Amino acid sequence: DTAVSQTPKYLVTQMGNDKSIKCEQNLGHDTMYWYKQDSKKFLKIMFSYNNKELIINETVPNRFSPKSPDKAHLNLHINSLELGDSAVYFCASSPTSGETQYFGPGTRLLVL
Amino acid sequence: SQQGEEDPQALSIQEGENATMNCSYKTSINNLQWYRQNSGRGLVHLILIRSNEREKHSGRLRVTLDTSKKSSSLLITASRAADTASYFCATGGGSNYKLTFGKGTLLTVNP
Repeated sequence: DTAVSQTPKYLVTQMGNDKSIKCEQNLGHDTMYWYKQDSKKFLKIMFSYNNKELIINETVPNRFSPKSPDKAHLNLHINSLELGDSAVYFCASSPTSGETQYFGPGTRLLVL
Repeated sequence: SQQGEEDPQALSIQEGENATMNCSYKTSINNLQWYRQNSGRGLVHLILIRSNEREKHSGRLRVTLDTSKKSSSLLITASRAADTASYFCATGGGSNYKLTFGKGTLLTVNP
């Protein structure tokens, strides 16, 4: 009965590879988000989707492509991984115009 | 761009003591939220205070907001070892479609 789930939990890969992270929420929310947390624990928004439509793309490189097949899912595909992509990626969701966001457990990505 | 700045960056106290964390922000806000992040886990919402509120309580948590100083504080009373976590303030959300987080305060409560 996990509210916001992400897979995988850990991802270790080589530079140049392509990888995907999946996110699902069972809260019935219309809005989903991807955040990146760097090694200093600083959290920054990457993307926001509302009813499967992209609302915010916060100057994220084109190598990152989110996809929302339906309101309950927001996946993140990353092409040509770089060392600087190593971070923890959090998915979150909220009702439309909801102020409180509900976070997944995070995906720890390490690029070697 | 970063909105909130928490201080201190790290705080270590004994169980039973009170812990106070501060957050400053730069732009006008509709509300301010506090989140907790346990080590290796996701963020959990603790409390939200609106711009027209000065103080809010939830269990052992007390949040204050001073919009004239663009600052907020989170007080945890009678701390427990289980309160050990990072605490973040955040602004935005709602129709803004994003939260802007501060750098966080790492709280360690020693048994």
